Amino acid sequence: NAGVMQNPRHLVRRRGQEARLRCSPMKGHSHVYWYRQLPEEGLKFMVYLQKENIIDESGMPKERFSAEFPKEGPSILRIQQVVRGDSAAYFCASLATGSYEQYFGPGTRLTVT
Amino acid sequence: SQQGEEDPQALSIQEGENATMNCSYKTSINNLQWYRQNSGRGLVHLILIRSNEREKHSGRLRVTLDTSKKSSSLLITASRAADTASYFCATDPLGGGSQGNLIFGKGTKLSVKP
Repeated sequence: NAGVMQNPRHLVRRRGQEARLRCSPMKGHSHVYWYRQLPEEGLKFMVYLQKENIIDESGMPKERFSAEFPKEGPSILRIQQVVRGDSAAYFCASLATGSYEQYFGPGTRLTVT
Repeated sequence: SQQGEEDPQALSIQEGENATMNCSYKTSINNLQWYRQNSGRGLVHLILIRSNEREKHSGRLRVTLDTSKKSSSLLITASRAADTASYFCATDPLGGGSQGNLIFGKGTKLSVKP
């Protein structure tokens, strides 16, 4: 049973470009969470999705950021018109229904130049 | 201010010693979880303690929870160089509105010297 997969592992974008980060949850997990981690900081919750639904996006910036978890395929975190302040590690985690243990992916390190 | 704050921020010990990390939080919780993160990697779940539990063990790990003081501690006994990592506590707030919206502290950086 493969763990949570994220790709790409490293992503470099110039200011103004778009970044697309992908997350495939563990098999059988229908809950996906996205977190952002700045250097030397803990993780900050961004958004919680179930298949085809955004459940909680209270941690996500109102502009330029969007997330989806379609019926088929991975969850996508999309950042439009990236700025230097978006440089961070982005982690997704998945959870089985009824469980409390989140399984984290290896993260995508986004660098905006 | 931040829910889930660990102290110390950094801890350096010799192999074989015990390491104790503390976490304080502000709101009522469903559970509290500890995670480990090796440099440049994702997080690994270590242990979960529910709000009605006071102590839990898993191998060389011992976690305590004091809901009256809103604090938790993680003890790693007989530490090894491989325990070198950052350790985070994360709280699942009561009435948080959505399942699993964890709130992380900034972590404790543990360095175990051989």
